Amino acid sequence: SQQGEEDPQALSIQEGENATMNCSYKTSINNLQWYRQNSGRGLVHLILIRSNEREKHSGRLRVTLDTSKKSSSLLITASRAADTASYFCATDDGGNNRLAFGKGNQVVVIP
Amino acid sequence: NAGVMQNPRHLVRRRGQEARLRCSPMKGHSHVYWYRQLPEEGLKFMVYLQKENIIDESGMPKERFSAEFPKEGPSILRIQQVVRGDSAAYFCASSPNQGDSPLHFGNGTRLTVT
Repeated sequence: SQQGEEDPQALSIQEGENATMNCSYKTSINNLQWYRQNSGRGLVHLILIRSNEREKHSGRLRVTLDTSKKSSSLLITASRAADTASYFCATDDGGNNRLAFGKGNQVVVIP
Repeated sequence: NAGVMQNPRHLVRRRGQEARLRCSPMKGHSHVYWYRQLPEEGLKFMVYLQKENIIDESGMPKERFSAEFPKEGPSILRIQQVVRGDSAAYFCASSPNQGDSPLHFGNGTRLTVT
């Protein structure tokens, strides 16, 4: 299965600013998901976007999907210190939740 | 409604010993997934199970690793004769169905092989 790759790998921003992360993948997908992981904890699901969708919103999160470029972006608006975490994209190519994760994108929000 | 419960949180084993990792899925979830995370890496799929059945074990090493999800009790990931390369965080996740529903992850078991 393909591997999600996030870009950039690390991001440091001031509270209130927006944070944007990108993810690329290699083959066809059924859906793409974004997860957050706080240090020493499990992953928390943020948002799922299906292959026939182009954009999705959830609170301060906005996800886009471009299947022609095999890429996705996650935008966190008006960031807060509590948003400090690692963010992973994961692709599902068969709709069975056998996810392929990227290496993660560490975001630090400075109060 | 308790989330996915994993235990132990930390496990230290000497080379050659066995490691048993337990996972209780969320109430009402019958699909369990095990993932492994190496330092500074993303999660790697290992195995997908339903009650009493292994659905997909394509990510499991061919030797020393096994998983089960019995009719009663937690799912178990078993690693026999551990080696230093097995040191990692092992995460369990569950979902209520096979479709594209989000996974709910436990906080993981951190295995250290000395």
